[in-house]
Amino acid sequence: EAGVAQSPRYKIIEKRQSVAFWCNPISGHATLYWYQQILGQGPKLLIQFQNNGVVDDSQLPKDRFSAERLKGVDSTLKIQPAKLEDSAVYLCASSWPRTGSFEKLFFGSGTQLSVL
Amino acid sequence: GENVEQHPSTLSVQEGDSAVIKCTYSDSASNYFPWYKQELGKRPQLIIDIRSNVGEKKDQRIAVTLNKTAKHFSLHITETQPEDSAVYFCAASQANNNDMRFGAGTRLTVKP
Repeated sequence: EAGVAQSPRYKIIEKRQSVAFWCNPISGHATLYWYQQILGQGPKLLIQFQNNGVVDDSQLPKDRFSAERLKGVDSTLKIQPAKLEDSAVYLCASSWPRTGSFEKLFFGSGTQLSVL
Repeated sequence: GENVEQHPSTLSVQEGDSAVIKCTYSDSASNYFPWYKQELGKRPQLIIDIRSNVGEKKDQRIAVTLNKTAKHFSLHITETQPEDSAVYFCAASQANNNDMRFGAGTRLTVKP
């Protein structure tokens, strides 16, 4: 089966610039996650969608980060304006659903962001 | 929210020895505990998971144990091989929202 697709693979920007990442989950996966993984640390959940609704965005820095999943499939994560500390790998993951079930996460290859 | 702590941050073993990685969690409502392996430059991949209704699960050389009372769980790798070298992450979540929180990771190095 096709995996979780992410683009771009790498991105280098200067601080205060804007950047957007795109994710296409595995077909049929209702739940989509965006994680931030800073070098040497574990993935930190930024936002979780169930279809096109937000389940958890408690750790999303909403003053500069935004995410959407308008049609319940693809998702975009935006940073505006970027700061040096935003340098990280941004991982998108998806899972099958479903309330009351345990489902493993399938991760994309990630977007490595460098903010100079 | 859930807070997952993982130890040690680095672990070096000789090929053939066993490796143990430990995690603790804070939210007693968490009931699903997966372990992910991340090789250098690659995406995390699930290697084993355990649910709160069991205390131990094995899959060949890998086993995971869970102590719900103490809120900790561990990954055990026996007969380690150089290809086991990677960063391992534990995680915890609840079935009702699948809100997955990860530990900081353990870098395992298996020396041939």
